[in-house]
Amino acid sequence: NAGVMQNPRHLVRRRGQEARLRCSPMKGHSHVYWYRQLPEEGLKFMVYLQKENIIDESGMPKERFSAEFPKEGPSILRIQQVVRGDSAAYFCASSPGSGAGELFFGEGSRLTVL
Amino acid sequence: DQQVKQNSPSLSVQEGRISILNCDYTNSMFDYFLWYKKYPAEGPTFLISISSIKDKNEDGRFTVFLNKSAKHLSLHIVPSQPGDSAVYFCAASANDYKLSFGAGTTVTVRA
Repeated sequence: NAGVMQNPRHLVRRRGQEARLRCSPMKGHSHVYWYRQLPEEGLKFMVYLQKENIIDESGMPKERFSAEFPKEGPSILRIQQVVRGDSAAYFCASSPGSGAGELFFGEGSRLTVL
Repeated sequence: DQQVKQNSPSLSVQEGRISILNCDYTNSMFDYFLWYKKYPAEGPTFLISISSIKDKNEDGRFTVFLNKSAKHLSLHIVPSQPGDSAVYFCAASANDYKLSFGAGTTVTVRA
């Protein structure tokens, strides 16, 4: 399956712990996006990355959240000191280019904070 | 600030009939619109899109209509099939990578 791969699919953390979500884009795609879906809401843009660069992190909370897309390996979305409000589905998407167009989404990582 | 709105959270339709999903937007800079379909526990999958230079785009059973003056678009599915039961998200972008999504409409196709 050459689609966008996310892991883990489900992650349970206690308040104050760290959550680390991983995303491997589709083969040939160098643009990665993270979106968050809270219950009963649509997907909200968080961050856009290219290899080794954060292009736009305007949708990411200023504290506790960070993202990276290293030269080698998957993109990582890291949430430090998780709180209950971080419980959500986190979707990664990729695209071959940066302009307007279709994004290819992974199956998502569902974070539950106890 | 919800720039894309899907005011109907759910829609129930008889198999074989037409499903019409509606979407309104507020940002006049949006010029590219997409519909995504999502099954439970899966990621959204692209369905159909339309550029602001068009008012209609058709792909098989799916047609998207765009009314720029009303800032409104709709998705028509005809005939509806049981496999169409899913959540449908309307999304829009202003000629860039950032998609703004609506909250989704859950479609249930009854046999």
